[in-house]
Amino acid sequence: DGGITQSPKYLFRKEGQNVTLSCEQNLNHDAMYWYRQDPGQGLRLIYYSQIVNDFQKGDIAEGYSVSREKKESFPLTVTSAQKNPTAFYLCASSRMVASYEQYFGPGTRLTVT
Amino acid sequence: GDSVTQMEGPVTLSEEAFLTINCTYTATGYPSLFWYVQYPGEGLQLLLKATKADDKGSNKGFEATYRKETTSFHLEKGSVQVSDSAVYFCALETSGSRLTFGEGTQLTVNP
Repeated sequence: DGGITQSPKYLFRKEGQNVTLSCEQNLNHDAMYWYRQDPGQGLRLIYYSQIVNDFQKGDIAEGYSVSREKKESFPLTVTSAQKNPTAFYLCASSRMVASYEQYFGPGTRLTVT
Repeated sequence: GDSVTQMEGPVTLSEEAFLTINCTYTATGYPSLFWYVQYPGEGLQLLLKATKADDKGSNKGFEATYRKETTSFHLEKGSVQVSDSAVYFCALETSGSRLTFGEGTQLTVNP
C-alpha cells in the first residue's frame, strides 16, 4: 500500500538535545512538507521541498533543519535552538500539480523535558 | 496574504443533527479549497475539495460549495453520526502547492 510513514509515533528527549524525525513516502510525490500542530491550533508550515536537494522555509523555520537527499525521504531535525519543541509534528506529500491534495502521515508526538 | 477563518469550536451535536461548519477565506486569484478531517492522535485525511467557483465537493455525506461571491466554503452534513467526531480543517491552496489552514473546529457528536 502506498502512503507516508513517520517514526516513531512518540518521542521523548531532554532539553538541549537535537532530535531527528523520520518521514518516508512511497507515493512518488515530488513535494514534501513538515507541519507543527499545537493543542487547539491549526497547522503551521515549518519547511517544504518541491524537488530533491532543494527546500524552502515555511512560516516557523527557526530552530529546525531539513534535508532532501532522496525523493522518498524528508527528515526533520529539531535543534536545541527551538524554544518550544514539544508538539505534534506532521509530514505530508503531494504531486506538483495544481489543485492536488496533500497526503499526511500519522504524525510524531515529541515531548521535550 | 492568504488566510482562512473557521467558525470557532467546539461544536457539540446530537446524533442525526444537521451540521454546518463555516469557513471563509481571503486569497488572490482562484485557489482550490479543501476540507480535511483529523481523528484523535492521527494525521489529516482529505475529506473533500473544490477547484473552481460553484463546484461542490462531496464525500461520506459531507458537502461544501465553493462560493466566490461570499469567499466561503462551508462544510455541511445532513445527519451526523458519533463516528464523525473529529477536528475539521478548512484549507486553501496557495502558490507552489502550499496549503494555508484554518485553526480547525472540534466536533463532538453524542449518541
